[in-house]
Amino acid sequence: GAGVSQTPSNKVTEKGKYVELRCDPISGHTALYWYRQSLGQGPEFLIYFQGTGAADDSGLPNDRFFAVRPEGSVSTLKIQRTERGDSAVYLCASSYGGGANVLTFGAGSRLTVL
Amino acid sequence: GIQVEQSPPDLILQEGANSTLRCNFSDSVNNLQWFHQNPWGQLINLFYIPSGTKQNGRLSATTVATERYSLLYISSSQTTDSGVYFCAVDVKAGAGSYQLTFGKGTKLSVIP
Repeated sequence: GAGVSQTPSNKVTEKGKYVELRCDPISGHTALYWYRQSLGQGPEFLIYFQGTGAADDSGLPNDRFFAVRPEGSVSTLKIQRTERGDSAVYLCASSYGGGANVLTFGAGSRLTVL
Repeated sequence: GIQVEQSPPDLILQEGANSTLRCNFSDSVNNLQWFHQNPWGQLINLFYIPSGTKQNGRLSATTVATERYSLLYISSSQTTDSGVYFCAVDVKAGAGSYQLTFGKGTKLSVIP
């Protein structure tokens, strides 16, 4: 596609529920990244995919968070047993290859956990 | 990990004015990018500039890697320049560089 597409744009859920956030990167971009942005802060790295595999998931805060990219294109970020502290904007980005390349970000998915 | 400090945290400009935003970082970097986040939350890459100087229209950036800082210049500011400007860095180089550390940003408001 022309840009990085993220759905849903807004998600409101109750504490303890399961949530999936989807990212559709720019066609041809092999590298995909998830970041999380809390109010008034800069984005924080969560996970990086090169192709289908998670090359680095060191930024995931705990084992309630998991991300997949089964065919090397669309990625899904999954959050189990959501907590109020998970409320944030989840940003996806993609780039050609990996490494020191320019990142193109999507508009984000705003998650609110009540 | 690396620390990124941006200044000033907030800036209000009259339309047409010039400004300089600063990014200091605590370690040598091999990847440095400037982003603009518009009021709707969209992050747009402005520059990839681990060293040297680049210009794009009214915007230019300079990174002095040996002194661990980067500057973003905005000339003849317009109301559409409003938003938050982020500096993001990585100490790793080449194919190993994929984890950007962002500063807290500079919030710019340009008033007519």
